[in-house]
Amino acid sequence: DQQVKQNSPSLSVQEGRISILNCDYTNSMFDYFLWYKKYPAEGPTFLISISSIKDKNEDGRFTVFLNKSAKHLSLHIVPSQPGDSAVYFCASTYNNNDMRFGAGTRLTVKP
Amino acid sequence: DSGVTQTPKHLITATGQRVTLRCSPRSGDLSVYWYQQSLDQGLQFLIQYYNGEERAKGNILERFSAQQFPDLHSELNLSSLELGDSALYFCASSVGDRDLGSPLHFGNGTRLTVT
Repeated sequence: DQQVKQNSPSLSVQEGRISILNCDYTNSMFDYFLWYKKYPAEGPTFLISISSIKDKNEDGRFTVFLNKSAKHLSLHIVPSQPGDSAVYFCASTYNNNDMRFGAGTRLTVKP
Repeated sequence: DSGVTQTPKHLITATGQRVTLRCSPRSGDLSVYWYQQSLDQGLQFLIQYYNGEERAKGNILERFSAQQFPDLHSELNLSSLELGDSALYFCASSVGDRDLGSPLHFGNGTRLTVT
């Protein structure tokens, strides 16, 4: 039951450039979307979220865009830094708080 | 440091055995969630407890069970283990029960290897 899909298992970008991580979902009932970052040997940590009533949310270098008609969200990191190298998970939830996660995208930012 | 503590960090056991994974939530958090991450898979939601009561159930096998104790720590019991149960098991916590969109705080996980 893959309600949240991250179709790119990996992404490599140069330091200073933009990183764009993508996520697609199938359940139109999802009303909140979150991005988590995970370093090796650690648990995921919350990065940024967006409500379904918005189409953009920005926090410093991180911006999340939501396209409800396409059931697609993306995370933009500008400028990318080597410390951003991690696995990024998108997650979606609806009112029972059953948070569904994608399989993750491994971002590598090269110096 | 998320404030969520999971023990043990690593566990190696044989097929057919039973293990218990333990989680202490962040101070003040009443909800505990268990997730399973198999190789190259996303986090699969297993079960949620809120203040000692089961609140939501995901793709949890009948061989697995969990509970949350009065001091709010939680245990995930895995029995009749199979090779396919090898995975990372994460515990997460949050303040409330159904806080819309509130982020979960994850522990560092327990890596279970079944041989």
